[in-house]
Amino acid sequence: QKEVEQDPGPLSVPEGAIVSLNCTYSNSAFQYFMWYRQYSRKGPELLMYTYSSGNKEDGRFTAQVDKSSKYISLFIRDSQPSDSATYLCAMSPSGNTPLVFGKGTRLSVIA
Amino acid sequence: KAGVTQTPRYLIKTRGQQVTLSCSPISGHRSVSWYQQTPGQGLQFLFEYFSETQRNKGNFPGRFSGRQFSNSRSEMNVSTLELGDSALYLCASSLDTRGPYGYTFGSGTRLTVV
Repeated sequence: QKEVEQDPGPLSVPEGAIVSLNCTYSNSAFQYFMWYRQYSRKGPELLMYTYSSGNKEDGRFTAQVDKSSKYISLFIRDSQPSDSATYLCAMSPSGNTPLVFGKGTRLSVIA
Repeated sequence: KAGVTQTPRYLIKTRGQQVTLSCSPISGHRSVSWYQQTPGQGLQFLFEYFSETQRNKGNFPGRFSGRQFSNSRSEMNVSTLELGDSALYLCASSLDTRGPYGYTFGSGTRLTVV
């Protein structure tokens, strides 16, 4: 079993839809949780990070962490065609250990 | 502010050759990490350098090596290339990995081994 599991999709939604992206993990030591967005032919860019459990909101994006279920989510409200990209979850036990990434979910938002 | 710069962007090499990839981090960033990205395995950690010292190393064979210079620029080298080394190699820099700062990634070097 991989440490971090992420459904690769592809996921296709109409513009304006609410998108839910998810990852599960097996290592209970993970404390730092991040979401990256990667456009084609570009490197990943950090969208959101959360420490430990709870929710965090930034504009149209909400990140949730449920450590009891070892499950993290990213919600995108009012999705736009410009949100079309691959979304990667990443996590780490501590701030000075490397991030472990999911394989990414490819999202297409159709106008 | 300039981002993370990786050179070259694209590279084609033959099996058995060696290759050197370069990464210039954001000014002031002292930590540089390297990842390999493939469709099958996703992003896998190669190594991390901080102040010219390797601080963490992933589970890759010894053919993969790296170094960091005093100006924080980093290079990674792959010797005796294999077809399976074809991948996007990403470099990420950060002020320090201690704390939830995350990385800033470059656009990567696309290596194709034929």
